[in-house]
Amino acid sequence: DGGITQSPKYLFRKEGQNVTLSCEQNLNHDAMYWYRQDPGQGLRLIYYSQIVNDFQKGDIAEGYSVSREKKESFPLTVTSAQKNPTAFYLCASSIDRYNEQFFGPGTRLTVL
Amino acid sequence: EDQVTQSPEALRLQEGESSSLNCSYTVSGLRGLFWYRQDPGKGPEFLFTLYSAGEEKEKERLKATLTKKESFLHITAPKPEDSATYLCAVQEAGNTGKLIFGQGTTLQVKP
Repeated sequence: DGGITQSPKYLFRKEGQNVTLSCEQNLNHDAMYWYRQDPGQGLRLIYYSQIVNDFQKGDIAEGYSVSREKKESFPLTVTSAQKNPTAFYLCASSIDRYNEQFFGPGTRLTVL
Repeated sequence: EDQVTQSPEALRLQEGESSSLNCSYTVSGLRGLFWYRQDPGKGPEFLFTLYSAGEEKEKERLKATLTKKESFLHITAPKPEDSATYLCAVQEAGNTGKLIFGQGTTLQVKP
C-alpha cells in the first residue's frame, strides 16, 4: 500500500536531549513537509523540501533541523534548543509544491 | 498578513440536522483552498481542493464551495461517523507551495 509512515507514534524526551522523528513515503512525491500541531492552534510549518538535497525553513524552524538525502525520507530532529517541544508532529508529502498534501499518522512528542 | 479563520470553533448537531462550516481567508493571491478531516490523535485526511470562485466539490454528505473571500463545507444529513475536526488551508500564489491552516471546526454529531 502506498502511503506515509511516521515513527515512533509516541516519543518521550528528557530535557536537553535531541530526538529524531522519522517520516517515510512510497508515493514517489517530490515535496515533503513537517508541521507542528498544538491544542487550539492550526498546523504550523516547520520545514519543507521540494526536492532531494534541498530544504527551506518554515514559520517556526528555530530549534529543529532536517535532512533530505533520499526522495522517500525526510527526518526531523528536535534539538535541545527547542524551548517547548511537546506537541503533535505531522509529516506530509505532495506530488509537487502546488498540489494537495497527504499526511502521515503523526508522532506525539512529550518532554519529561 | 495572510490569515485563515474558521467558524464556528465547535458545532454540535443531531443526526440528520444539516449545517455549514465556514472558512474565511485573506491572501494576496489564492492558488488553491484545501479541506481536510482530522480524527482525534490521527493525521489529517484530504477531502477537497478548490481553485476558483464558484467551484463546488462533493463527496458523500459533504459539499465544499468557494467564493472570493470564503469557503463553506456543507454537511447534509450528518451521521455520528462524520464527527471530527475539519481543517481548512489556503495556498497562496507563488513558488513555495506553503499552506496556511485555520484552527479547525470540531463537529460532533449525536445519534
